[in-house]
Amino acid sequence: QQQVKQSPQSLIVQKGGISIINCAYENTAFDYFPWYQQFPGKGPALLIAIRPDVSEKKEGRFTISFNKSAKQFSLHIMDSQPGDSATYFCAAYSGNTPLVFGKGTRLSVIA
Amino acid sequence: KAGVTQTPRYLIKTRGQQVTLSCSPISGHRSVSWYQQTPGQGLQFLFEYFSETQRNKGNFPGRFSGRQFSNSRSEMNVSTLELGDSALYLCASSLQPRYYNEQFFGPGTRLTVL
Repeated sequence: QQQVKQSPQSLIVQKGGISIINCAYENTAFDYFPWYQQFPGKGPALLIAIRPDVSEKKEGRFTISFNKSAKQFSLHIMDSQPGDSATYFCAAYSGNTPLVFGKGTRLSVIA
Repeated sequence: KAGVTQTPRYLIKTRGQQVTLSCSPISGHRSVSWYQQTPGQGLQFLFEYFSETQRNKGNFPGRFSGRQFSNSRSEMNVSTLELGDSALYLCASSLQPRYYNEQFFGPGTRLTVL
C-alpha cells in the first residue's frame, strides 16, 4: 500500500524554467510533509518542509504548495539550474507513523 | 562536526549469505533510523533505534534485524540474503526519534546480492 504517490517519475526542464513535482497522500493524519533532494552517491537531504496549517512555504527558489482538501502537495523549483539536477522525494509523517516516502522524481535541468 | 558515516560503502554478497552494515551517527545524536532504497520501491523505513531500544519497525521480514550500542552506533543485519535485498541501505541520525527536520542521512551502503 503506497501511502504517498509521487509524479512524474522523471522530468526534464530547461535552465531557467520551473520544475514542478507533485505528490498525493491518503492518510489524513499526516501532519508533516518534507521534500528531500538526493545527489548520486549521497544520502537524501532535507530541502524544505510544510505543515498542513499553511498553504504555501517558500525558501529561496523552492516553494511547497499544499492543498489539504485535495490531499496533495507539490514542489516548485523556480529558475531551475543544472545544479538542481537530482532525485527529489516527497514524504509524509504523523505522530504514529515513521516517514513514508514517494518513489522519487529524477530531475534533469538542461542548458 | 562529522556527518553520518556508514561502512562499508559497497558490498557484494551471494544468496544465502548474511551481511552486517554499520552506521555511526553525528556526535550527540541518539536516534538512528535505517531505510532501504531501491529503484522499484523507493525509500522504505526499516527500523528506528533510540537509547539502544528499537522504537519502530517497518514492514520487512525477520531476516532484517538491527541493534544500537551505548555509544549510539548502530548495526543492521540481513540474514539469508535474497536477490531482492540488493539495494542502497541508508542510515539517518537525529537528536531524538522523529526529529525529521533535523535528521541527517549518511551516504549509504550499496549492497549487491548475486
